[in-house]
Amino acid sequence: ILNVEQSPQSLHVQEGDSTNFTCSFPSSNFYALHWYRWETAKSPEALFVMTLNGDEKKKGRISATLNTKEGYSYLYIKGSQPEDSATYLCASPRGNFNKFYFGSGTKLNVKP
Amino acid sequence: ETGVTQTPRHLVMGMTNKKSLKCEQHLGHNAMYWYKQSAKKPLELMFVYNFKEQTENNSVPSRFSPECPNSSHLFLHLHTLQPEDSALYLCASSTAGGGNEQFFGPGTRLTVL
Repeated sequence: ILNVEQSPQSLHVQEGDSTNFTCSFPSSNFYALHWYRWETAKSPEALFVMTLNGDEKKKGRISATLNTKEGYSYLYIKGSQPEDSATYLCASPRGNFNKFYFGSGTKLNVKP
Repeated sequence: ETGVTQTPRHLVMGMTNKKSLKCEQHLGHNAMYWYKQSAKKPLELMFVYNFKEQTENNSVPSRFSPECPNSSHLFLHLHTLQPEDSALYLCASSTAGGGNEQFFGPGTRLTVL
């Protein structure tokens, strides 16, 4: 079992606020870190795959950073919109690398 | 649309029933996965298939029986389940190996009475 932890568990922000949340994972035997966005009643959707220490990736208003030495990744959302409301999951593949260990997710609610 | 479909989307069954969940992927992938999400718990890997061969069984009880007849289809056969097996069951697919991005279906919400 691999401990992948996410904080906070839930977050309520106003439209227009910027926000960020954390994924922490064991730094040993690191291979990659995946971020997913999961809207209610839909499929989890991949946001980013991050592999290199210091990686920074961006998709629109959403960006993520990676620190493999200390074992954490941050996800940032700039100017949150109601459509950003979802659960954000991170996952770390280990073992034979098909085995993904997921965090419990951060549930974001953006109020108009 | 992620290219991974699951049926049924909702299932209610008694403890003595036998039912099956179906997953189909249209992405040309060669690895498929079953995950379980119970309330307030992380997604938990159950089974992995690579090129139709089971390569991971995460200590899943035998009342869950997977089947992968080809690289595009994955089934989860259910029999004599317990109420605590009620959960969301997600299927995913990917290119085999290397921690590649997994593409998920929408899940089957299972309730065991």
